[in-house]
Amino acid sequence: GQQLNQSPQSMFIQEGEDVSMNCTSSSIFNTWLWYKQDPGEGPVLLIALYKAGELTSNGRLTAQFGITRKDSFLNISASIPSDVGIYFCAGLGAQKLVFGQGTRLTINP
Amino acid sequence: DGGITQSPKYLFRKEGQNVTLSCEQNLNHDAMYWYRQDPGQGLRLIYYSQIVNDFQKGDIAEGYSVSREKKESFPLTVTSAQKNPTAFYLCASSTGHQPQHFGDGTRLSIL
Repeated sequence: GQQLNQSPQSMFIQEGEDVSMNCTSSSIFNTWLWYKQDPGEGPVLLIALYKAGELTSNGRLTAQFGITRKDSFLNISASIPSDVGIYFCAGLGAQKLVFGQGTRLTINP
Repeated sequence: DGGITQSPKYLFRKEGQNVTLSCEQNLNHDAMYWYRQDPGQGLRLIYYSQIVNDFQKGDIAEGYSVSREKKESFPLTVTSAQKNPTAFYLCASSTGHQPQHFGDGTRLSIL
């Protein structure tokens, strides 16, 4: 089936640093989504991207839908402790979401 | 409040038993989904339903069964045929082309 390659798998950063993660695919998607998951909870939608080349912000978060429709990135600026968690990208294929493996973000105070 | 409710939060199963995980939504969403999450991995689709009384297998449907008798409910049964059922199970729903929204999950463990 379709797969997304999400990198990096994990990040260890200092509070206040900027963060960047990305997803690539061999398939084209018409929608890219970014979710955050806290331990023991379900993923929460952060940003949805619907158009190739689209750049969307949500507070300190910025995400872009790649022009080829095969990739997307998420940036977090000026990280804070509550940014800790696992971030997932997801591409919407034929009626189904395909998820990346996740990026685990750890922040040292 | 509108949302997706999964119950129970924690579930324990003995070898050879079937167990059913509940998922209820009051968002009036047409589509509902079940995912399995293993440590350090992404979400894998088990079953999904686009409309009442209809559902399709996802990527890892073996050992699982579902029903969709009501729009708001999509229970998942983990059967004894599922050889490695220990995992975190997530239910989601959506409508039209809107993104999926998730419940808070059920963690299933084998005694």
